[in-house]
Amino acid sequence: KQEVTQIPAALSVPEGENLVLNCSFTDSAIYNLQWFRQDPGKGLTSLLLIQSSQREQTSGRLNASLDKSSGRSTLYIAASQPGDSATYLCAVPQTGANNLFFGTGTRLTVIP
Amino acid sequence: NAGVTQTPKFRVLKTGQSMTLLCAQDMNHEYMYWYRQDPGMGLRLIHYSVGEGTTAKGEVPDGYNVSRLKKQNFLLGLESAAPSQTSVYFCASSYSNLGRRTQGTRYGYTFGSGTRLTVV
Repeated sequence: KQEVTQIPAALSVPEGENLVLNCSFTDSAIYNLQWFRQDPGKGLTSLLLIQSSQREQTSGRLNASLDKSSGRSTLYIAASQPGDSATYLCAVPQTGANNLFFGTGTRLTVIP
Repeated sequence: NAGVTQTPKFRVLKTGQSMTLLCAQDMNHEYMYWYRQDPGMGLRLIHYSVGEGTTAKGEVPDGYNVSRLKKQNFLLGLESAAPSQTSVYFCASSYSNLGRRTQGTRYGYTFGSGTRLTVV
């Protein structure tokens, strides 16, 4: 069974700092990886979807990378803002099936 | 474009009561899913559907039933609620099965805003 791990579980940074969130997965036979953002008491918002054939995907101040061979993905947030405060989750699909395996997330706090 | 809409947003049930959670999507997605989110355990798949009239079990299906009579709706039922079913429930939909190699798959999952259920 695929296991997805996110470290650290929580992170606090001052506004303006660049930061990296980490995601690792045990089964490297994935077709894609997705990063989500979850605000307290809210649903999940899709941020980036990286196909297995891609190494990077960018959206605004966000950049996600994928290294299948090492079972790792990173989400880079540039020039962090207080509005970036949320929990960030990564998820990978079960190969050939309809299940997404989620990490337990990194709770980010950006301090003004 | 509303995306994925879940109702109700909050509910308190007594042990043994039944209820149905409704999920509606307006994106013409084939695939729909029900997840539960519990502290320290992340999101876990309860049931899913790959199209109108189909349902299948996920990782934690016991105590739940689902129906997909219309493509846009996916219902999650609790026949006899138990305190262990206290959780936040999320519905999601997707254009395709992300677990299969699909050319040009651009779309990920779209989630609803969740239903917070407490069983006392």
